[in-house]
Amino acid sequence: EAGVTQFPSHSVIEKGQTVTLRCDPISGHDNLYWYRRVMGKEIKFLLHFVKESKQDESGMPNNRFLAERTGGTYSTLKVQPAELEDSGVYFCASSQEFSKQYFGPGTRLTVL
Amino acid sequence: KQEVTQIPAALSVPEGENLVLNCSFTDSAIYNLQWFRQDPGKGLTSLLLIQSSQREQTSGRLNASLDKSSGRSTLYIAASQPGDSATYLCAVGDSNYQLIWGAGTKLIIKP
Repeated sequence: EAGVTQFPSHSVIEKGQTVTLRCDPISGHDNLYWYRRVMGKEIKFLLHFVKESKQDESGMPNNRFLAERTGGTYSTLKVQPAELEDSGVYFCASSQEFSKQYFGPGTRLTVL
Repeated sequence: KQEVTQIPAALSVPEGENLVLNCSFTDSAIYNLQWFRQDPGKGLTSLLLIQSSQREQTSGRLNASLDKSSGRSTLYIAASQPGDSATYLCAVGDSNYQLIWGAGTKLIIKP
């Protein structure tokens, strides 16, 4: 069984540019989560999808972040325009029902 | 607001020793608790998941306990090996199914 995959593994962009991160959950997992870890801080929750619906987006930092999960399969997280403080590692996780969350390898975003 | 604390922030022990990592949380109304490990530059690997109704879980040399009333969890690693060197993270699942994370304990096992 394939695990959670994320693309790209690393992205370096300049301030003001746009970046789109992708997450492919484990097949059959309706729940998909985004988290991020910025330098020196704890991992923080961003949002939670159940199928294609946003169950909870209370962790999204501001309106420069847009997450979608069209069709309830893979998800994208777009940052537009990117700022320096957006640098960090973005993790995606999926789960079957509301149980153990399985994490992807993360995308390391560097904003210069 | 739930807060998760992990102590110590770093730990270095000789190979073969048994050790305990600590995690505390401020709100006992949790859904579950997970322990993860993260290797440098790698993703998060789930080690153990304890549901709120459980007291402990075991996997190989790892044993995790949960005491909701006191807001504490411990991860016990028996007969430590150099391959156990990693950062260990504790995360509490709340009623909204979010995970609230501790800052982690960086563990180094010296050969």
